[in-house]
Parts: sequence; structure tokens; C-alpha cells
Amino acid sequence: QLQLQESGPRLVTPSETLSLTCTVSGGSVNSEVDYWGWIRQPPGKEMEWLGTVYYTGTSYINPSLPNRVTVSVGPATNQFSLTLSPLTGADTATYYCARADTESDPVFDVWGPGILVTVSS
Amino acid sequence: TVMTQSPDTLSVSPGGRATLSCRASRSVRTNLAWYQGKPGQPPTLLIYDSSARATGVSDRFSGTGSDTDFTLSISNVQSADFGIYYCQQYNDWPFISFGPGTRVDV
Repeated sequence: QLQLQESGPRLVTPSETLSLTCTVSGGSVNSEVDYWGWIRQPPGKEMEWLGTVYYTGTSYINPSLPNRVTVSVGPATNQFSLTLSPLTGADTATYYCARADTESDPVFDVWGPGILVTVSS
Repeated sequence: TVMTQSPDTLSVSPGGRATLSCRASRSVRTNLAWYQGKPGQPPTLLIYDSSARATGVSDRFSGTGSDTDFTLSISNVQSADFGIYYCQQYNDWPFISFGPGTRVDV
């Protein structure tokens, strides 16, 4: 059974860089049919798609976050990552990683439990 | 593509029926999914392709619509159906967008 787990700092300082990792178990990041995405939800606010990466390293970033977001495969086997900078208080949110299986419709059908990241000095 | 949802909040009695609406700013054909969100949990996929139920989803949940107007219906509403329901377009895949959500109180 495919499972995803986010990891990273839970408290970060404004103006710094957030780095999160998603570890995939029960499946492979190198799957040719899967895409791997990051979505966040600030407390009490809407969900926002951040970016998606394919096993080849090709990535797609939300155009509303120009030059702030990077999504990539790695650093370790069966992991993919998110970096976001520079941080502000508006980046306080629960961050989710998720999988989209393009053998069917490309929807995020498996999600990690989420990690609450607070941006504060 | 901008997604909007109505109403913001919906109160439904147990056993009743809930009807949620989602509108896209331009046609997304049937490339529309619905998710259920609950506090402290990741969203759960309910519906994709506007009307196809995800694996394990109760047939009390049904989706309809195409192009710009979509509806999620929940029949025989149960207490476990509380939460926030989000629509999401993937017509622009991989550039997706979510609606703001409809909160359902039971």
C-alpha cells in the first residue's frame, strides 16, 4: 500500500528557506505513471497547489509563486522535496505531499498526513 | 482557472441530502475532482472525472456536471460526512487549482 510521509522543520524564521522532504513507501518515485506534488493549506484558508515533479526531474510550479518554489526528486531514493524561499508569515501552513496516478485521471489520490510549518521569529 | 464554490457553509440534518456547487471560470470539461477534508487529516479523494467515485467511496456521494458547473450530492447524510468539501480542476494538468471549499455541518 502506497504511503507518503512529510518531514522537515516545524518552525522556521522569516526570510529563510523551508526545505521539506516526502518519503514514499510501498511504491517508487521512479514510477513512469506517477507524479508527485506539494499542496499547502494555511490555517482556516484555502488549499494551494505549490508544484509537481515527475521522476525524470521535470517540474511544474504554481505560476502565482514565481521564483519562490522548487520541487525535485531526491535527495535520497524514494524521496522528493520542496524548497520555498524567502519565507514570510503567510507561508505558515500545513504542507502536504501527494501522488497523482496518471494511469487513470491525474488526481491526487494518496496524501501524506501533512506537516504544520510555522514561520515566526 | 479560478474555481468558486457555494454555499460557504451548509447545515444538513442526518438522513437529509446535501447539494454542493462548484463553478470554473472557464470550461474544464469533466476534469473535476471532489475531496473531503477533516480537521487534522489530509484531504480524501471522493470523485474524479466529475462523476466517477474513487475506490472505496460510498455511493451516497455522487457528482455531476461538465464544462463550468458541477455538483456534489450527498444522500442520506451521516454524522461522519461533516467536513470541508473542495473541488479541484485538472483540465490544465499539471497546473491544478482548488476551490475555496464548502463546509458541511451535520
